[in-house]
Order: sequence, then C-alpha cells, then structure tokens
Amino acid sequence: DIQMTQSPSSLSASVGDRVTITCQASQDITTSLNWYQQKPGKAPKLLIHDAFNLQTGVPSRFSGSGSGTDFTLTISSLQPEDIATYYCQQYDSVPRTFGPGTKVDIK
Amino acid sequence: EVQLVESGGGLVKPGGSLRLSCAASGFTFKNSWPSWARQAPGKGLEWVGRIKSITDGGTTDYAAPVIGRFTISRDDSKNTVYLQMNNLQIEDSAVYYCYSSHSDWGQGTLVTVSS
Repeated sequence: DIQMTQSPSSLSASVGDRVTITCQASQDITTSLNWYQQKPGKAPKLLIHDAFNLQTGVPSRFSGSGSGTDFTLTISSLQPEDIATYYCQQYDSVPRTFGPGTKVDIK
Repeated sequence: EVQLVESGGGLVKPGGSLRLSCAASGFTFKNSWPSWARQAPGKGLEWVGRIKSITDGGTTDYAAPVIGRFTISRDDSKNTVYLQMNNLQIEDSAVYYCYSSHSDWGQGTLVTVSS
C-alpha cells in the first residue's frame, strides 16, 4: 500500500500570509493526487486534482504543485474562510490512501 | 445537480451488522465507480473501498481493515450503492461517506458501535 505523509500536522498563520502544506507519497504516484479541504461537520471539498489542476469554482489563491513523491498545496493569501483541515489523497492505486491531514487556523 | 444521499447509519453492538445505502442522482450512475470513505470522531479520512461499473467488471477493492467483513454492492436500476458491514467493531465507529467522483461526496451517515 502507498503511505501518505503530510507536514506540518497543524499551523497557525495570519490573514494574508502565504501558507504551504506538503504531502509525500511512499512511492511514485506521478500526478495522481487530490487535495481536499474539510470543515467541521462537513464532507471534504475537492480543491486540486491531478496534483495541480484547480477544481472549478475554487478560488485562485489555492494552487498545487509536484509530481512523483513530493507535492505541495499553497494558499497564496490566507483568508478567514480557509480555516479547515486539508488532506491529500493518492489515486494511483488501491487502496486510495489519504494523508493524515493538516489543520490550519488563524493566528 | 449531482446528489449523493447516505442512509442506514445508527447504533449497533460489537459483532453486529449494518447496511448503508447511498442514493445517487444527477449523473449517469451506471458508468461510475463509487467509493466509500469513513472518518472516526476527531480523526482523519480513511478510504474504505470501491466498486467498478458493471461494464468495467463490477469488481470491488477494499482497505485492509475491512477485508472479509465489509461488502460493497450496487443496484444500477436504483442508482444506489451499498455498504454491508458485518462483525462490526468499536473501531468501525465513524461517519461514513460515499463519493462518486473525486468532487462529489454525500453528507455522511454516522455509525456508532458500542455495547
């Protein structure tokens, strides 16, 4: 099975800050990676698919990069509504493993 | 508009069974490969399994913790995917989500396993 790790596990930043979350796969997954945002009590919301493609309707301050085993989600200017937990998920093979999540809040 | 609505959650004793349903609308369900994921209280997301479309073989794949206990099936005439859960354990307590594509998720249904 492919293992996914994320760092940091949590972060606190100010409104307007640039925020970066990293995700690492235990083996090459090319660009078969999603990024999700989840708010408490809600289903996950897809932000980025195929490692760097912005899902329709998602603000352009979100961006994804990477390929192979190392990936990054960037929020260019953190907004109060971005407070959430962020998960990466690989879909290169089954089981479709998720990363452990990164909790983002406002300083 | 794509909609996925889970049902069937509830309280069950350890060793018991439960069947979850996920009713889909707004897209061609028979062509989809729906999946189930879960989230234990205060924990992260965990993929549970998926079923391919009948035209792609209708086969299933599962995460290791549920192999031999959980079964995913589908009824394309009802646009519904099912998750049959047997021999439930306390650690299976979670909100269970179905999703039909990376972007379309249901609202989740809570399963609590407790004596």
